[in-house]
Amino acid sequence: DSGVTQTPKHLITATGQRVTLRCSPRSGDLSVYWYQQSLDQGLQFLIQYYNGEERAKGNILERFSAQQFPDLHSELNLSSLELGDSALYFCASSVAGLYNEQFFGPGTRLTVL
Amino acid sequence: GQQLNQSPQSMFIQEGEDVSMNCTSSSIFNTWLWYKQDPGEGPVLLIALYKAGELTSNGRLTAQFGITRKDSFLNISASIPSDVGIYFCAGGPGSNYKLTFGKGTLLTVNP
Repeated sequence: DSGVTQTPKHLITATGQRVTLRCSPRSGDLSVYWYQQSLDQGLQFLIQYYNGEERAKGNILERFSAQQFPDLHSELNLSSLELGDSALYFCASSVAGLYNEQFFGPGTRLTVL
Repeated sequence: GQQLNQSPQSMFIQEGEDVSMNCTSSSIFNTWLWYKQDPGEGPVLLIALYKAGELTSNGRLTAQFGITRKDSFLNISASIPSDVGIYFCAGGPGSNYKLTFGKGTLLTVNP
């Protein structure tokens, strides 16, 4: 158990809908990262938040947005969903500091029908 | 952007054999990390490397940070069935964001 929690575990929805994925980082970690994993693309970095502020952006679509709240949990919002958005979405967390060690949650499997 | 080439893509070995896999990049990284992912689960950090030339072990796993800082290697000795999974390398720029991941090596161990 990495200490990172994600809900829900599974999510099935229809095209055009909007969903929210939730992540709680390890106790004491200030940074939260979101990744998308699909079969053909591997692990793709989406976005990072550090202590409530956006720190870095990767290949995140404009239909996707995220935020980190004062209690450090984070939410990833996916809107106008398309079939191609079906994937595993992982949250990871790390302590602020020099090193890059990121600890991953169990993921949310999103299926768009 | 930065890219990592991880090889081999997949490996089929017999229980008890040793395994080697590697990652190479055209860019320099300041940190190399190795993760293992079981089906339907999140990646689990196995080993973290911070200095060029560094050799670090974690049980039967040994990883090395290449001296050029453009590559890293992971060895698994005396493989067992629970070693089955996907192994990912990741390179970090030295600040606290943007790991770049390889596409993974799928390891299958035949008992």
